[in-house]
Amino acid sequence: QVQLVQSGAEVKKPGSSVKVSCKASGGTFSSYAISWVRQAPGQGLEWMGEFIPIFGTAKYAQKFQGRVNITADESTNTAYMELSSLRSEDTAVYYCAREFEGGGSYLDNWGQGTLVTVSS
Amino acid sequence: EIVMTQSPATLSVSPGERATLSCRASQSVGSNLAWYQQKPGQAPRLLIYGASTRATGIPARFSGIGSGTEFTLTISSLQSGDFAVYYCQQYNNWPPLTFGGGTKVEIK
Repeated sequence: QVQLVQSGAEVKKPGSSVKVSCKASGGTFSSYAISWVRQAPGQGLEWMGEFIPIFGTAKYAQKFQGRVNITADESTNTAYMELSSLRSEDTAVYYCAREFEGGGSYLDNWGQGTLVTVSS
Repeated sequence: EIVMTQSPATLSVSPGERATLSCRASQSVGSNLAWYQQKPGQAPRLLIYGASTRATGIPARFSGIGSGTEFTLTISSLQSGDFAVYYCQQYNNWPPLTFGGGTKVEIK
């Protein structure tokens, strides 16, 4: 069973960037895509993008194009999501989740979430 | 982008009763539809994929049905741990993967 463990909570200033990590254990990292999903306080789930290790490529939701960068380091089984030009509306819990297949699938394992607070 | 619409927003149900949740897609997603359960302070948990297949460890009281644009999640006899928010998600056309707005199942 795959376990995804995310980095800890962050407090950031508007205009800065944040990088959240997601370390996978118990599975074959390169066989699955990793998605990033965020949830603003009291709101629903919003997909940001994914990294497909087997192809070494990322796909993003148009809303975040140009502001998000999703990468992975296969040597450490760790995925990363970096969001730049932060604004208060980016305050949310950020989740990584494993996709069942190599892109465009359901999310069968989730990290515990990382709270990112953007405040001056 | 495929828009997913869930109804109702809130469902009040007594323990032991049946709950029926709906999810509609703005265009056909075939059977590429998943359901998740989320409890306060926790990450979502996969319940159903392929519109009707229960994920590993999910009790039989959870069932999903539908294809195309109309989907239903039924919880046959609500237990205390089932009061939560439920989300549907399509994975037929991506990017982006898209979620419904959620249905909160609360105790009546």
